Amino acid sequence: EVQVLESGGGLVQPGGSLRLSCAASGFTFSSYAMSWVRQAPGKGLEWVSAISGSGGSTYYADSVKGRFTISRDNSKKTLYLQMNSLRADDTAVYYCAKGCGDDCQNYFDYWGQGALVTVSS
Amino acid sequence: SYELTQPPSVSVSPGQTASITCSGDKLGDKYVCWYQQKPGQSPVLVIYQDSKRPSGIPERFSGSNSGNTATLTISGTQAMDEADYYCQAWDSSTVLFGGGTKLTVL
Repeated sequence: EVQVLESGGGLVQPGGSLRLSCAASGFTFSSYAMSWVRQAPGKGLEWVSAISGSGGSTYYADSVKGRFTISRDNSKKTLYLQMNSLRADDTAVYYCAKGCGDDCQNYFDYWGQGALVTVSS
Repeated sequence: SYELTQPPSVSVSPGQTASITCSGDKLGDKYVCWYQQKPGQSPVLVIYQDSKRPSGIPERFSGSNSGNTATLTISGTQAMDEADYYCQAWDSSTVLFGGGTKLTVL
């Protein structure tokens, strides 16, 4: 059974940093791109970042470029999102989502339960 | 920048057909997928590559994509289908989501 499970969410002050993790199981992790998608309270889905199966290609939304870094450790079957210079408008539930192939973001067939990140003083 | 536009809300009576649209410039040239999200839950993929259904998704869900518009159709809508629906596409190394449509079954 495919599972992705986020961790690392919490409360952080504006300007602070946080690292999210996503542990994957039930599929060949290194063969699939992974993404982070967030959802602010009461709002729609917003894609944040994606990484190819090998980790050689990374993609970012303009809203996080230069502040967030996506990475993966295929030996640990874990995806990461390092978030720096956090702002109040980064407050959201952050979902980890499995892509459709090695470097495919046409759809996400499995999603985690989400990790809440709150940026507030 | 490329945008996907959805109506904020759609209403349908039980047993009737609901259609949710997603529009974007030459959207028919891209693959579109659809997610269903119920309150407090993670999104669930209901249609991918314009018209394919993942295993476990009921046959009443179907999709199409042509020209500038993709459409999610729910035939014989049930109360359990009440949810938010999002379209998604990939363009210029960016994942795009529509703003979401709240489907009300009443």
